Amino acid sequence: AQSVTQLDSHVSVSEGTPVLLRCNYSSSYSPSLFWYVQHPNKGLQLLLKYTSAATLVKGINGFEAEFKKSETSFHLTKPSAHMSDAAEYFCVVSDLESNYQLIWGAGTKLIIKP
Amino acid sequence: GAGVSQTPSNKVTEKGKYVELRCDPISGHTALYWYRQSLGQGPEFLIYFQGTGAADDSGLPNDRFFAVRPEGSVSTLKIQRTERGDSAVYLCASSLNPIGPQETQYFGPGTRLLVL
Repeated sequence: AQSVTQLDSHVSVSEGTPVLLRCNYSSSYSPSLFWYVQHPNKGLQLLLKYTSAATLVKGINGFEAEFKKSETSFHLTKPSAHMSDAAEYFCVVSDLESNYQLIWGAGTKLIIKP
Repeated sequence: GAGVSQTPSNKVTEKGKYVELRCDPISGHTALYWYRQSLGQGPEFLIYFQGTGAADDSGLPNDRFFAVRPEGSVSTLKIQRTERGDSAVYLCASSLNPIGPQETQYFGPGTRLLVL
């Protein structure tokens, strides 16, 4: 069965330093992978998605993620954190087994220190 | 253009009462999804509509939960005999085409339900 593990429930970085949010997935099929961001009291917004094209995916707000099949990982990175990046981030997988329903990780709360 | 909207934004009810939550998808989107998000967790799938029909309702937790989309646009999630455990944020999403590997779901801001 598919699953998503976000390895850190909280990540704290200083403004201007790199961000790394880790995600591992399990899928028996060719998965689609997504990162969504949820700011307080706002709706979920798609950051980026991987759907079997280029393995390095660029998203909005300077975020990118790399699909590594051998490591079953889809980590989210950003070179330089901004205060406005403080939010909850969700890694999501879907594939044929789930009928393409989204399977969500538990989320990682990103905290930005001034 | 307008995104997915949900009303009300907050709903407080008493145990045993009936509630209705409304979702207005993006205009022209054929697929609509309902999720439930409990505190500190990721969203949990409830039901998926393609057009007017419920194509997948496998996520509905029990028969107290029901959803409709009579004209293929607006949807209403209905919860009967609410329980304290139903307290959560109920999220609605829509996508332009039927569910598939390339489709992106666009989410509304959610309805925060509190059952006292």
